[in-house]
Amino acid sequence: NAGVTQTPKFQVLKTGQSMTLQCAQDMNHEYMSWYRQDPGMGLRLIHYSVGAGITDQGEVPNGYNVSRSTTEDFPLRLLSAAPSQTSVYFCASSLLPSSYNSPLHFGNGTRLTVT
Amino acid sequence: ELKVEQNPLFLSMQEGKNYTIYCNYSTTSDRLYWYRQDPGKSLESLFVLLSNGAVKQEGRLMASLDTKARLSTLHITAAVHDLSATYFCAVDGVRGGSNYKLTFGKGTLLTVNP
Repeated sequence: NAGVTQTPKFQVLKTGQSMTLQCAQDMNHEYMSWYRQDPGMGLRLIHYSVGAGITDQGEVPNGYNVSRSTTEDFPLRLLSAAPSQTSVYFCASSLLPSSYNSPLHFGNGTRLTVT
Repeated sequence: ELKVEQNPLFLSMQEGKNYTIYCNYSTTSDRLYWYRQDPGKSLESLFVLLSNGAVKQEGRLMASLDTKARLSTLHITAAVHDLSATYFCAVDGVRGGSNYKLTFGKGTLLTVNP
């Protein structure tokens, strides 16, 4: 059982470049989300989705775009990378949190450096 | 805006000792999570607390939730080196449901020394 799979594990970008961080889950979870983790800041929610075709903004959405065309996949796009986006990115999924005893299942993270 | 505060942020303790990590939050909520993160790794779920007075225990860790005080505690009993990690609490900012937005504390870095 793969759980939540993120690719790539590491990425270096130059300022202004764009890229997509991939996230896939095989647990049939309705809820998926993206967090960034910075030293001393905990995890901050970027975007989330409660099902295919439905996305919404979290706490720090600027500079990022998401889509959810299938239940399994939830890619995160950086439109024009900036050094402030240097961070570790985690994708997480769960059953819909309003209905169940449902903790988040996290991927292994993508460490992104923007130079 | 929901604020989640953990303390202490850094905790160095000796094996065999007991200690408590505190998680305070600023709005009414009855849904709180505890996660563990090892260095360079992902987060894993420890406890889900869904109501006032909820108490969960797993091994040397026990978590509780007091929704009236807006406080959760993670108690460590007779610490061992394997418990060294960063511990996060996370709060769902809506009472009786979910707004699908978990707010995390900054984490408590626990180091257990021999």
